[in-house]
Amino acid sequence: DVKVTQSSRYLVKRTGEKVFLECVQDMDHENMFWYRQDPGLGLRLIYFSYDVKMKEKGDIPEGYSVSREKKERFSLILESASTNQTSMYLCASSLWASGGTDTQYFGPGTRLTVL
Amino acid sequence: GESVGLHLPTLSVQEGDNSIINCAYSNSASDYFIWYKQESGKGPQFIIDIRSNMDKRQGQRVTVLLNKTVKHLSLQIAATQPGDSAVYFCADVSGSRLTFGEGTQLTVNP
Repeated sequence: DVKVTQSSRYLVKRTGEKVFLECVQDMDHENMFWYRQDPGLGLRLIYFSYDVKMKEKGDIPEGYSVSREKKERFSLILESASTNQTSMYLCASSLWASGGTDTQYFGPGTRLTVL
Repeated sequence: GESVGLHLPTLSVQEGDNSIINCAYSNSASDYFIWYKQESGKGPQFIIDIRSNMDKRQGQRVTVLLNKTVKHLSLQIAATQPGDSAVYFCADVSGSRLTFGEGTQLTVNP
């Protein structure tokens, strides 16, 4: 079974703090993704990565950065946390498949509250 | 832009009944579709997928139907159980990116 783990289930931070969310997958997947999930807005893609040291902006990258130094690990960084970044953050990974049939597997999520 | 949407935000069924969750998509170039189940406080869990060149696929107690003519996708759950209560998302896959619908909350009444 694919296993995607996230470093924290719940996190509380203060406005202006630098926040690191870590994600690790154990299936040697090339692709990794960070989403946030908010009521009424669904899942929105923040950043993704196709390979080590590669990153691509998703639909809402503002206020976030990412790091992928190793294939199995993808970190999401909030340089200066703000209250509007309070959300559920979900990491996912997928094995690249020809024909555009990648299935993404998700971690359990990190619920971040910024006070 | 392209979007994937769900017809109903909530669905309530009796235990043992069959459930049907619908999804409309707008990207006619979509390669692949996935249904996910998300229980409260957990990440989305893969249920079943279907390629764009298929119109039906069956799994254990679940069936996905794809109607490309009207760009409609449905998830059928047979003999719905209390453990099926969750939010169900369809996702449209184009390349390696997913576009999600907002989700349908399925509630199973005992």
